[in-house]
Amino acid sequence: SQQGEEDPQALSIQEGENATMNCSYKTSINNLQWYRQNSGRGLVHLILIRSNEREKHSGRLRVTLDTSKKSSSLLITASRAADTASYFCATETGRRALTFGSGTRLQVQP
Amino acid sequence: IAGITQAPTSQILAAGRRMTLRCTQDMRHNAMYWYRQDLGLGLRLIHYSNTAGTTGKGEVPDGYSVSRANTDDFPLTLASAVPSQTSVYFCASSKDRLNTEAFFGQGTRLTVV
Repeated sequence: SQQGEEDPQALSIQEGENATMNCSYKTSINNLQWYRQNSGRGLVHLILIRSNEREKHSGRLRVTLDTSKKSSSLLITASRAADTASYFCATETGRRALTFGSGTRLQVQP
Repeated sequence: IAGITQAPTSQILAAGRRMTLRCTQDMRHNAMYWYRQDLGLGLRLIHYSNTAGTTGKGEVPDGYSVSRANTDDFPLTLASAVPSQTSVYFCASSKDRLNTEAFFGQGTRLTVV
């Protein structure tokens, strides 16, 4: 069963706009991570937010975490065509390994 | 360049054949993982290893086996391939199992016919 579920499944925006992706999960977590995957390539780690953190920034990325709602959001500001990719949230619960959602496909139109 | 190497990059395999997907990392990471990625299902954990000499079952282990004889290598074996094992397979590693990011290989695209 999927621990994390991203919303929306697909998102298309214009270059320069902001992109927001959401992730909901089911059980308590140690941390939540966001990954990016370009078509046909492996996943690349973007950011990790721990369960006791509420917000984290990295360049144009802003991640929030609400453990009471079991949800997280990834905001990409001032999107570029090169941001076109699939974005996955992954949760770490202390068991086994990271559990990934099914991803959000982001298309940034130049 | 440090990282994870997977081989082969793609393979067409006849059903019933045995196949080993190779994975090697040079980052001295303790933990390693195998995931499969299918359209619309995200990544699902097949097997994992917290440290050399230990392995564990993931979400979808049936039909797959792994070994972790040393820190660097984590091969995944399909004993008798079936068409439902057609997928993209990703190997990943992390310094430790907890609170660290995972590094992924480029994937092996496997088609079982």
